[in-house]
Amino acid sequence: GQQLNQSPQSMFIQEGEDVSMNCTSSSIFNTWLWYKQDPGEGPVLLIALYKAGELTSNGRLTAQFGITRKDSFLNISASIPSDVGIYFCAGPNYGGSQGNLIFGKGTKLSVKP
Amino acid sequence: GAGVSQTPSNKVTEKGKYVELRCDPISGHTALYWYRQSLGQGPEFLIYFQGTGAADDSGLPNDRFFAVRPEGSVSTLKIQRTERGDSAVYLCASSLQPEGGVGTEAFFGQGTRLTVV
Repeated sequence: GQQLNQSPQSMFIQEGEDVSMNCTSSSIFNTWLWYKQDPGEGPVLLIALYKAGELTSNGRLTAQFGITRKDSFLNISASIPSDVGIYFCAGPNYGGSQGNLIFGKGTKLSVKP
Repeated sequence: GAGVSQTPSNKVTEKGKYVELRCDPISGHTALYWYRQSLGQGPEFLIYFQGTGAADDSGLPNDRFFAVRPEGSVSTLKIQRTERGDSAVYLCASSLQPEGGVGTEAFFGQGTRLTVV
């Protein structure tokens, strides 16, 4: 079945650093979504991508819809402590309804000790 | 309220018991979703309601799981004969009627942490 693979699984950030993470799939997606989840909270939508090659920004966050339609990237510039959390990519489950999303396992951002 | 509200926030139950989890969506949102999130995993789709009807229940793992939304607003997820493997955070989300495509403007609640002992 469909799977979304996120990389890296975890990373440590130092304030001010740029951060990059990606999401890949063996099958084509026509929508890519990026969410952030803080401890004890539900995921919050950060960016939605609808077209291959699309590059969309939301403040210090930038996401791209890969031209192969099998990957997406999320970049965070000049990270700050509140960027810590788990970032999920998601896309529509093939053959599912509008509300049926498949999520990756997440990339966990932590602060460097 | 301003956001999606889920109650209880935590629920501990004994194996074999019946539990109900409640979701109050954002007022006016016609679409409602239930997801389940196990530790270290992303959310996993369970069921999607459009109004009162279940438009997609393909994610319900078995017939012990059932969800209703009788008046098109509040929804209840019901789990019979709970098993330890049902332990997870159950997330609810709601969105306005999507105009084709994925209901991307879905707002999630904080979830109900279910622990089956």
